[in-house]
Amino acid sequence: GQQLNQSPQSMFIQEGEDVSMNCTSSSIFNTWLWYKQEPGEGPVLLIALYKAGELTSNGRLTAQFGITRKDSFLNISASIPSDVGIYFCAGLSNNNAGNMLTFGGGTRLMVKP
Amino acid sequence: SAVISQKPSRDICQRGTSLTIQCQVDSQVTMMFWYRQQPGQSLTLIATANQGSEATYESGFVIDKFPISRPNLTFSTLTVSNMSPEDSSIYLCSVAPGTSYNEQFFGPGTRLTVL
Repeated sequence: GQQLNQSPQSMFIQEGEDVSMNCTSSSIFNTWLWYKQEPGEGPVLLIALYKAGELTSNGRLTAQFGITRKDSFLNISASIPSDVGIYFCAGLSNNNAGNMLTFGGGTRLMVKP
Repeated sequence: SAVISQKPSRDICQRGTSLTIQCQVDSQVTMMFWYRQQPGQSLTLIATANQGSEATYESGFVIDKFPISRPNLTFSTLTVSNMSPEDSSIYLCSVAPGTSYNEQFFGPGTRLTVL
C-alpha cells in the first residue's frame, strides 16, 4: 500500500524558533493536507494543497505541494507554546469508494517557553 | 467545515464484548470515514461509509469485526466486535463535506481500552 514518510518524528525547540517538517512518498497524490492533533482531540485541518508547486499560508504556517506531487513540507515560524502537538501530513488519492487519506507517521512538536 | 460529535468519548470494556460508537454531523454529508489510531501511532483508515451503499473496508479490516451502519446523511455507527486488548485504540470518524470531497474533518475520537 501507499506510505508516507514524515520527518522528523519529534522536535524539541525553543519558543520563537522556526520549525520545518516534511513528507515524502513513492506515490503521487492529488491533494496534500496538514493536520494538528492535540491530546484527547481529533486532528484539526491546518492547510490544504491542491496543485503541484502550490505554496499556501495560514498565519504563521506555510506549506508547499511538491512539484513532483510526491512530497510536501510544513513550516511554522516564530513558534509559541500553543504550537505543541502532533502534526500529520496526509495525501489524498482515490480508492474504490472514492477518496481516501493516507497519513504520515506524525511529527511530535514540543516548545520550550 | 463540519461539526462532528462522537459518543462515547471513552470507554473501558471487557474482552469478548462489543462496543458501538456513534458519529453525528451537524450537516448532511455523503462521505464519512472511520479511522483507528493505535497508541502513539498515526491514523489508519478502517472503512469508507457512504450513505446509500455498503461500507468499503480497507485491507486488514473486515465487516464481521467492524460492522458499520450509515442510516442517513448525518449519522453513522461503528461497532467493535468481540474485543481483545489489541483493539485498544482511538476510533475517529471523519467527513468530507462539499462537492470536491478533498478535505476531511475529524470528530474528537473515542478512546477505547479493552481489558
